[in-house]
Amino acid sequence: QKEVEQDPGPLSVPEGAIVSLNCTYSNSAFQYFMWYRQYSRKGPELLMYTYSSGNKEDGRFTAQVDKSSKYISLFIRDSQPSDSATYLCAMTSQGAQKLVFGQGTRLTINP
Amino acid sequence: DSGVTQTPKHLITATGQRVTLRCSPRSGDLSVYWYQQSLDQGLQFLIQYYNGEERAKGNILERFSAQQFPDLHSELNLSSLELGDSALYFCASSVDGRTGTSWETQYFGPGTRLLVL
Repeated sequence: QKEVEQDPGPLSVPEGAIVSLNCTYSNSAFQYFMWYRQYSRKGPELLMYTYSSGNKEDGRFTAQVDKSSKYISLFIRDSQPSDSATYLCAMTSQGAQKLVFGQGTRLTINP
Repeated sequence: DSGVTQTPKHLITATGQRVTLRCSPRSGDLSVYWYQQSLDQGLQFLIQYYNGEERAKGNILERFSAQQFPDLHSELNLSSLELGDSALYFCASSVDGRTGTSWETQYFGPGTRLLVL
């Protein structure tokens, strides 16, 4: 079983919809949680960073972490065609020096 | 643009050959990470260097090696290449020595696409 599980999709939604992307993990030592966005043939771009449990909002993006359930989410409000990309969750523990990534979810926003 | 640069963008080579991938971190970043991305394995951590010293190792094959130079750029050497080594190789950097940005926030370069024929 992988340390981080993420549904690879693909996920296709109409423009303006609220998108929910999720990851589950098994390592209770994970404390730092990130979401990356990767456009086709590009490098991953850091989107959101959260430490421990709670919510963090940045514009149309909200990241949630529920450590008790070992579950993290990324919500995208008022989705735009430009949000079409692969979204990767990543996480790590104190002092681990490496990120552990989910498989990535391919998202398409249809105009 | 993350500020991390990688060369070359594309590399096509034959089995058994050796290649070198180059990475320049963001200005001021002291730590460099190498990752491999393949369709079946996703993004996998290979190795990390901090200010010239190896700090962490992941699933890096013995045929692969890396180093970080005094000017903080890094090279990933892949030798005795096999078909299965075809993948995207990403470099990431973190830990701004001037501002103390935490190492968890890693910024990725555009990657090198390696095709082994």
